Amino acid sequence: QLQLQESGPGLLKPSEALSLTCTVSGGSITSDSYYWGWVRQPPGKGLEWIATIYYTGATYITVPLRGRVTMSIDTSKNQFSLRLNYVTAADTATYYCASHPSGDVRRGAFDFWGQGTMVTVSS
Amino acid sequence: EIQMTQSPSSLSASVGDRVTITCRASQSVGTSLHWYLQKPGTAPKLLIYAVSNLQGEISSRFSATGSGTDFTLTISNLQPEDSAYYYCQQAYGTSTFGQGTKVEIK
Repeated sequence: QLQLQESGPGLLKPSEALSLTCTVSGGSITSDSYYWGWVRQPPGKGLEWIATIYYTGATYITVPLRGRVTMSIDTSKNQFSLRLNYVTAADTATYYCASHPSGDVRRGAFDFWGQGTMVTVSS
Repeated sequence: EIQMTQSPSSLSASVGDRVTITCRASQSVGTSLHWYLQKPGTAPKLLIYAVSNLQGEISSRFSATGSGTDFTLTISNLQPEDSAYYYCQQAYGTSTFGQGTKVEIK
């Protein structure tokens, strides 16, 4: 059973870069059985998928955030990361890391989630 | 980008009722349509994947159907623990979520 845990700064100033890390346990980040992703939720609002990465490095990013988002994998630490550049107050949200199985039927269905980490952007 | 529209945005029903939530996609998403439940302060939980498949130990009171652009989630015999937000998600192209439906128990 996979377990995911986010870590990050908590508070940022506008125009700074947000870096979040998700540590995976119970499975390998290099497994071809999973994709690794990020989903965020502004306070009191709904879910927004941000991006997903596969162990090959193939990355998929939501259209509104392309140009500001990159993802990466650190195989030595069994972690994957999100970087969001030039943050504004609109990026204030709880950020979740999550995983979904590879394969057609369960494509995109996030079945393991971290507990979430709150990120506030404020001057 | 495929847009997902859920309705209603909220509903209130009694214990034992049957409730239905609908999700409409702006274009066909095939069978890449999933449903989640989220309770306040917790991470979302996968309920149903690929339109109609119950995830893990999810109660059989939950069922779902649909195809192409129109999908429904039904909760039968509504229970107090079903009080939550429900989200649909398409994963046909780059993924998007519906705006959510708040289910309250009267």
